[in-house]
Amino acid sequence: AQSVTQLDSHVSVSEGTPVLLRCNYSSSYSPSLFWYVQHPNKGLQLLLKYTSAATLVKGINGFEAEFKKSETSFHLTKPSAHMSDAAEYFCVVSVGNFNKFYFGSGTKLNVKP
Amino acid sequence: DTAVSQTPKYLVTQMGNDKSIKCEQNLGHDTMYWYKQDSKKFLKIMFSYNNKELIINETVPNRFSPKSPDKAHLNLHINSLELGDSAVYFCASSQETAIRGDTQYFGPGTRLTVL
Repeated sequence: AQSVTQLDSHVSVSEGTPVLLRCNYSSSYSPSLFWYVQHPNKGLQLLLKYTSAATLVKGINGFEAEFKKSETSFHLTKPSAHMSDAAEYFCVVSVGNFNKFYFGSGTKLNVKP
Repeated sequence: DTAVSQTPKYLVTQMGNDKSIKCEQNLGHDTMYWYKQDSKKFLKIMFSYNNKELIINETVPNRFSPKSPDKAHLNLHINSLELGDSAVYFCASSQETAIRGDTQYFGPGTRLTVL
């Protein structure tokens, strides 16, 4: 069975401080993993994805994530938060046939001035 | 240019009505999807079509019927609307035919409210 667990439903950081959003997955197959961001009342935008190439993946807006098979984790980080980063972040796993996406429950990132 | 578009953006209707949501992608992609996002922001796949053929059909009530007139369009028709259908519905598309890890591009969503 496939599943994604986002360990924090809310994360609050100050502007200019690092961001860490945690994601663990379970999969019977070698997974593809994604992070998407959803700003209020908007659609989902791809931040980055892992598909069995380099384990450290760089995405847009300074975000990156590291695939750690031994820990079944794919945590999202950014060195310095910006006010515009405030949004809902979703970790996603795609496994098996037909590119079926399984979403985590989301982490709401709040950035304080 | 909008890559994946949905109409309408907002839809407010009464219980028991029938309504449709339209989705179009201009990316030349082969595969399209419908997702439902509930009030707790959880997203779940409903359907997927590849070149007008249904390839994913999750346990969705048969009041929901997707229709794909061509590979650039995937519409969602909902019969006999219920209060529990209130949600945001997202359309998405991906380039390849059922390839694991292919990026899905999402539309802006349609917020359906059933009164």
